[in-house]
Amino acid sequence: DVKVTQSSRYLVKRTGEKVFLECVQDMDHENMFWYRQDPGLGLRLIYFSYDVKMKEKGDIPEGYSVSREKKERFSLILESASTNQTSMYLCASSGQWKNQPQHFGDGTRLSIL
Amino acid sequence: DQQVKQNSPSLSVQEGRISILNCDYTNSMFDYFLWYKKYPAEGPTFLISISSIKDKNEDGRFTVFLNKSAKHLSLHIVPSQPGDSAVYFCAAYAGNNRKLIWGLGTSLAVNP
Repeated sequence: DVKVTQSSRYLVKRTGEKVFLECVQDMDHENMFWYRQDPGLGLRLIYFSYDVKMKEKGDIPEGYSVSREKKERFSLILESASTNQTSMYLCASSGQWKNQPQHFGDGTRLSIL
Repeated sequence: DQQVKQNSPSLSVQEGRISILNCDYTNSMFDYFLWYKKYPAEGPTFLISISSIKDKNEDGRFTVFLNKSAKHLSLHIVPSQPGDSAVYFCAAYAGNNRKLIWGLGTSLAVNP
């Protein structure tokens, strides 16, 4: 079974802090994704990576960066946290083909105070 | 602009009856479609998919129908069970694009 593990279920940080969200997958997947989910807005893609050290911007990359130094690990970085980044963050991974669906972690509920 | 639209934010169904969740899309380049289910405080889980070369795919109680000319797909759950109560997302791929385009979801409540 595919396992996508996000480092924290709940996180509380302060405005201006640098925040790291970590995600690890155990299926040797090429693709990894970071989304945020907000009420009424569905899932919005922040960044994704299709290979080690490769990254592409999603629909809402502003205020975020990512790092993928190893194939199994994909980190999301909030450079200077702001209150509008309070959200549920979801990490996913998938194989390189369309018929290999994305598998998600359980999410990190991040609150910025 | 929403390329994948789930026009019903919520749906309520009696246990044992059929649930039909609908999804419309605007991009004619979409060629692979997926349905995901999401419980509160959990990540989405993959449910069923369909390629544009098919018009139906079935997996147990779940069937997805695709009408390319109408740019419409639907998910049928028969019979519906209380454990099916969740938010259902429709999503689509276009060609070689790695990005999955998501609808906003439909919240299904199956009442005992």
